[in-house]
Amino acid sequence: AQKITQTQPGMFVQEKEAVTLDCTYDTSDPSYGLFWYKQPSSGEMIFLIYQGSYDQQNATEGRYSLNFQKARKSANLVISASQLGDSAMYFCAMREGRNNAGNMLTFGGGTRLMVKP
Amino acid sequence: GAVVSQHPSWVICKSGTSVKIECRSLDFQATTMFWYRQFPKQSLMLMATSNEGSKATYEQGVEKDKFLINHASLTLSTLTVTSAHPEDSSFYICSAPQQGSTQPYAYTFGSGTRLTVV
Repeated sequence: AQKITQTQPGMFVQEKEAVTLDCTYDTSDPSYGLFWYKQPSSGEMIFLIYQGSYDQQNATEGRYSLNFQKARKSANLVISASQLGDSAMYFCAMREGRNNAGNMLTFGGGTRLMVKP
Repeated sequence: GAVVSQHPSWVICKSGTSVKIECRSLDFQATTMFWYRQFPKQSLMLMATSNEGSKATYEQGVEKDKFLINHASLTLSTLTVTSAHPEDSSFYICSAPQQGSTQPYAYTFGSGTRLTVV
């Protein structure tokens, strides 16, 4: 079974508007972490935001916020005020376990975001 | 911040030859290195996990005799694609968990290697 599901293969958003990228996950481990990465055409993986399973508040990092709904097992990324430079692939990922020591990241299928001028 | 230097960035090789990809942690000790493969327009799939001083653990379906992983030191992990074939053409990227940093949840990625086998 898929552990991380991103149901939007591609999305368009108008510049300066907000956009939500969906991510649902599946795990039986009570301790886990959820990540979002941006991958431009160069291939590098750019860390955007992190949410721990025990975190009470939704994570925010500048224009990025994570809408964490634990009961629904969803961790949607919200990008506010989209910019042309936001056009890229976006991956949701999960780490099972209390920390990263020895624990891999499992990635979703990705969402290609295209920002229109 | 923590940096993992990955080389080469891209490589073209002839079918049947071997290619070595290096990932070097520059300012931290990487006791673990994760190796991922990404085919065009697809996600990152874990190939193997290497731990310093021990044998790598390969994911199901990954040929350990074809993808040789060595993690002989705390700062260097290598992936050698042996007898490469066109179907091995892909983007290979390494990732090391940052241990002992102020962000215990962080992972540092190499910049990736685009392998083309002709």
